[in-house]
Amino acid sequence: QKEVEQNSGPLSVPEGAIASLNCTYSDRGSQSFFWYRQYSGKSPELIMFIYSNGDKEDGRFTAQLNKASQYVSLLIRDSQPSDSATYLCALRGNSGGYQKVTFGIGTKLQVIP
Amino acid sequence: DAGVIQSPRHEVTEMGQEVTLRCKPISGHNSLFWYRQTMMRGLELLIYFNNNVPIDDSGMPEDRFSAKMPNASFSTLKIQPSEPRDSAVYFCASKEYLSYEQYFGPGTRLTVT
Repeated sequence: QKEVEQNSGPLSVPEGAIASLNCTYSDRGSQSFFWYRQYSGKSPELIMFIYSNGDKEDGRFTAQLNKASQYVSLLIRDSQPSDSATYLCALRGNSGGYQKVTFGIGTKLQVIP
Repeated sequence: DAGVIQSPRHEVTEMGQEVTLRCKPISGHNSLFWYRQTMMRGLELLIYFNNNVPIDDSGMPEDRFSAKMPNASFSTLKIQPSEPRDSAVYFCASKEYLSYEQYFGPGTRLTVT
C-alpha cells in the first residue's frame, strides 16, 4: 500500500460547482497534512495545511481531516476554470525525520466553463 | 525575493553522460530538498539537507545519484552515468527549519536519450 493514495483523475466539474478531492494515507502516526496545487508545467505551491481533525477553511478552499479514518479531503467551492490543475495531497509522517514530506500521485481537476 | 533558483531549466543528454543539476535556495532558508517527478511515480523525495548536512538520502535511487550542499546558498544533484529511466523533472525546494511550507523552484526537465 502506498503511503498516500489519490485517484489520478481527471475529475471534471462544471464551473460554479463544488470540487471534492480525496486522499487516504497508511501511516497512523502522520502529523501534518498538505494540499499543493500544480499547474501544468509549473512547480507545486502550497494552498492548504491542516493538522487537527475537522475542517479548515480558507476562502473557497476547505480542507477536511479525519485521522480515525485516515483520510484528507479538499473541497473547492464555486470552482473556476483557473482552478484546473493537479492537486497533490502530502503528509509529514513519523519516518525520515521531522522534515520529510510524502506526496501522493495527484488528482487532475478540470473545471468546465 | 528571487525564490528558489534552479539551473539548467532543460537538459538533454545521452545515456552514460554525467549530469549536474544546480539549486540556490531562498536566502535564510536552512532546509533544502531534492525531488523527482514522473507521471508514473509522482513527486518523490530524493534527499534533504538541514543546515547543509544531509539528513535523509533514503530516496536516492542508486549510487549513480549524489548530492552536495557545500554552503547555505548552493546545492547540486549529480547523476553519473545517466540512464534513460532518469528522465524526469527534478525540483529543488527550500524552507525555514521550523516552518511547514516548502517553496519549490521551477524545476529542471531532464531528458536522457
